[in-house]
Amino acid sequence: ETGVTQSPTHLIKTRGQQVTLRCSSQSGHNTVSWYQQALGQGPQFIFQYYREEENGRGNFPPRFSGLQFPNYSSELNVNALELDDSALYLCASSLSGAYGYTFGSGTRLTVV
Amino acid sequence: SQQGEEDPQALSIQEGENATMNCSYKTSINNLQWYRQNSGRGLVHLILIRSNEREKHSGRLRVTLDTSKKSSSLLITASRAADTASYFCATVFFQGAQKLVFGQGTRLTINP
Repeated sequence: ETGVTQSPTHLIKTRGQQVTLRCSSQSGHNTVSWYQQALGQGPQFIFQYYREEENGRGNFPPRFSGLQFPNYSSELNVNALELDDSALYLCASSLSGAYGYTFGSGTRLTVV
Repeated sequence: SQQGEEDPQALSIQEGENATMNCSYKTSINNLQWYRQNSGRGLVHLILIRSNEREKHSGRLRVTLDTSKKSSSLLITASRAADTASYFCATVFFQGAQKLVFGQGTRLTINP
């Protein structure tokens, strides 16, 4: 049984560019969530996917979008990058919110 | 705004001592979870306590939950240098998505 895998681990982008981050869920988990963690802060909920449908979204603009695939892997896309998008992006998978979430190691995004 | 708030923000103790961290939250919850994060890496799920539970143990960890005071505490007994990390409480809401709402965390340092 594998855990949650995120790629890439680090990324540097220029303001205005677009980025795609990827996440492979833990085997058997059908729910995936994405979080943004700024330096020194707790993670902030971006959105959640359940069986390929977005079923909840945090206070993030539409330029943050996502996908979940039939194998429950997921992508986070951010368009028109801003300097404040620099953060650690965490993917978490779960079978149910009644249990704990398994987090990946994150993607460190730096926007310059 | 973040739901949970951890207290203290930073804690430094000697190896072998016990460490206590507190978490307060604002609204009704389904369950509350504690996570550990090492040096900006992914979060590791430690323990989940449901709203109808008052205390839970896992190894050297003891978590309490007081729903009347909207607060929780995490006790780590017989601390080790490897316990040095940031600890976050996360409240869980079922509003379509199963959203984790994190506080800003407690930075725990165990001195050898």
